[in-house]
Amino acid sequence: KAGVTQTPRYLIKTRGQQVTLSCSPISGHRSVSWYQQTPGQGLQFLFEYFSETQRNKGNFPGRFSGRQFSNSRSEMNVSTLELGDSALYLCASSWTGETDTQYFGPGTRLTVL
Amino acid sequence: GESVGLHLPTLSVQEGDNSIINCAYSNSASDYFIWYKQESGKGPQFIIDIRSNMDKRQGQRVTVLLNKTVKHLSLQIAATQPGDSAVYFCAEIRNQGGKLIFGQGTELSVKP
Repeated sequence: KAGVTQTPRYLIKTRGQQVTLSCSPISGHRSVSWYQQTPGQGLQFLFEYFSETQRNKGNFPGRFSGRQFSNSRSEMNVSTLELGDSALYLCASSWTGETDTQYFGPGTRLTVL
Repeated sequence: GESVGLHLPTLSVQEGDNSIINCAYSNSASDYFIWYKQESGKGPQFIIDIRSNMDKRQGQRVTVLLNKTVKHLSLQIAATQPGDSAVYFCAEIRNQGGKLIFGQGTELSVKP
């Protein structure tokens, strides 16, 4: 069974631009969660989608948004990029998003110049 | 506040020795705990999990112990190998819609 895939793997953007990242979950998984990883803050939860609905959201500004499609694939968008948005963005999928294992993709490395 | 924290940021062991990585959590309502391994340039990789109604769980060369009395979680790696070198994270989930709360991570370095 294929794992979680994320595209693109690397991105370089400039301040003020916007970016869209994509995540394809493991087949059959309906929950997709997004995390931001930085050296200073570690791994922080952004949001979670289940059956095309955002079910939970972390403490990030409204510039961070996401959506989920009927095939469970998910995208996250960051608008008006800031230097501090440079990070590794990880998505994870699970069957239900409740107390079951989340499997991570390789991440998208975003650099904001 | 809610947090899952690790006691040591780095751990260096000799190849063949056993490794123990510790984690403390603050919320007794946590339902489920997971250990992840993250190698450089990769996403976190699932190692082993344990539910709050268990005290111990074993996998291949790994054992997770959960002490709910003192809110402590540990990962034991037997016969540590160079390929075990990575950053290890503990994470908890509280049935809150896909939200894992991660500790800061422990970097394990295995000396040949």
